[in-house]
Parts: sequence; structure tokens; C-alpha cells
Amino acid sequence: QSALTQPASVSGSPGQSITISCTGTSSDVGGYNYVSWYQQHPGKAPKLMIYEVSNRPSGVSNRFSGSKSGSTASLTISGLQAEDEADYYCSSYTGSSTLWVFGGGTKLTVL
Amino acid sequence: EVQLVQSGAEVKKPGESLKISCKGSGYSFTSYWIVWVRQMPGKGLEWMGITHPGGSDIRYSPSFQGQVTISADKSSSTAYLQWSSLKASDTAMYYCARRVIPVGGTFGGWFDPWGQGTLVTVSS
Repeated sequence: QSALTQPASVSGSPGQSITISCTGTSSDVGGYNYVSWYQQHPGKAPKLMIYEVSNRPSGVSNRFSGSKSGSTASLTISGLQAEDEADYYCSSYTGSSTLWVFGGGTKLTVL
Repeated sequence: EVQLVQSGAEVKKPGESLKISCKGSGYSFTSYWIVWVRQMPGKGLEWMGITHPGGSDIRYSPSFQGQVTISADKSSSTAYLQWSSLKASDTAMYYCARRVIPVGGTFGGWFDPWGQGTLVTVSS
């Protein structure tokens, strides 16, 4: 089971919106709605930002949203803030022997 | 507060054994499976495996099968990850996380919260 494909880096200015894509296959992203997104600041543990494609956990800003089309999921962050600068990882359930797979991660830089 | 607290950083030599832990609190430990995730220096996240909270059912990623042993003890609300013979390539940060599924669900899910991580350094 290969890792999901994410852009290595994205950037945006404060107040702007950015979107991070996460491309898989019909065996993972395209086959299940168990796509989740995690934010990781340097030296910190990952934090759940989106689950089941588009649901936000309590306490996560509504500036974060998720969607999916076919085998590609997306995370959109609107109204960029300096604190959003971090690495972002997508993950999908696969149902195969590797039950879950992560994307390679995307480094978000707030200019 | 739901939290997972992991054991402290370890420095080991190649060939040594190691067992790290992940203790859950603030929730019913027996209701949620625990996953382990590796992050090598400067790299991304890799799913290693998952354990039933009682340790009765454990699944491994093929990449880690035979390389590590996952276990859990519901009496102490603790999950474990162990190595019998460490290699330099095992140097990484290891995270545990709670697997959450929708009510009535039996598969899939997402990971929340995560432990703070245990840094394992293997060097001669």
C-alpha cells in the first residue's frame, strides 16, 4: 500500500486561503469516507483537524474544512494566520493489510 | 481530559531490547483501540499497527510485522511497543494514538488524541 500523495509545500499570505490535496486510489481515499487530516507543529505531536472527510472536532477553528472528490481529498484553510504554519498530513483507512495510510506531508508556510 | 501519556526518551545500543509505553486516562480505555505511528527524523508519519485495548487482537502493517511487538494491558490502561533487537534504523519518534470510530461502526476511524511521543535513539 503506497503512501497518499500530497504536495511537499504550499504557502500563502495572512488572510488568504490555501488548499492541500491528498491523492490516493479507489482502495483508500476513493473507497472510504475515513479520510482525516492532522496538523503537526515542529517538535509537537500531530493533532486531529478533520475526520470523516469533512467533520471538524470540537475546538478546531471553522477556518479549516475538508472535502473529497473521487480519490482526491482536500484540506482548505481560509483566513490564514501565522499559527497555521505547520506540517499537515492526510490519512485514509484502506481495508488492506496496511489498515491505514498517511500522505507524505505538506509544509505550510505563512508568508 | 482524554490523554495518552508515553514513556520517556530512550538511548539504546544496536542489539538491545526496548519496551515503550502509552498510558490512557480520562476515558474508558477498554472502549478504544490504540495505534502506533513511527516518524523517522525529518520524515512523515507511518502507521505501524493497532491493538485491541485488552491485547486480544493485534494487527501489524506488513512493513513492521516481525520487527516489533505490540501489546496492551487493560488492567493498567497501557499499550506497549517493543523491540527484541534494536537497529540504528529504528531511531525515530514513536507516537501512540487512540482510534475513534462512529457509534455503531466496526472498522475504519481516525486518531485522536495522540500521545506526546517517545524518541528512541539507537546508536553505538
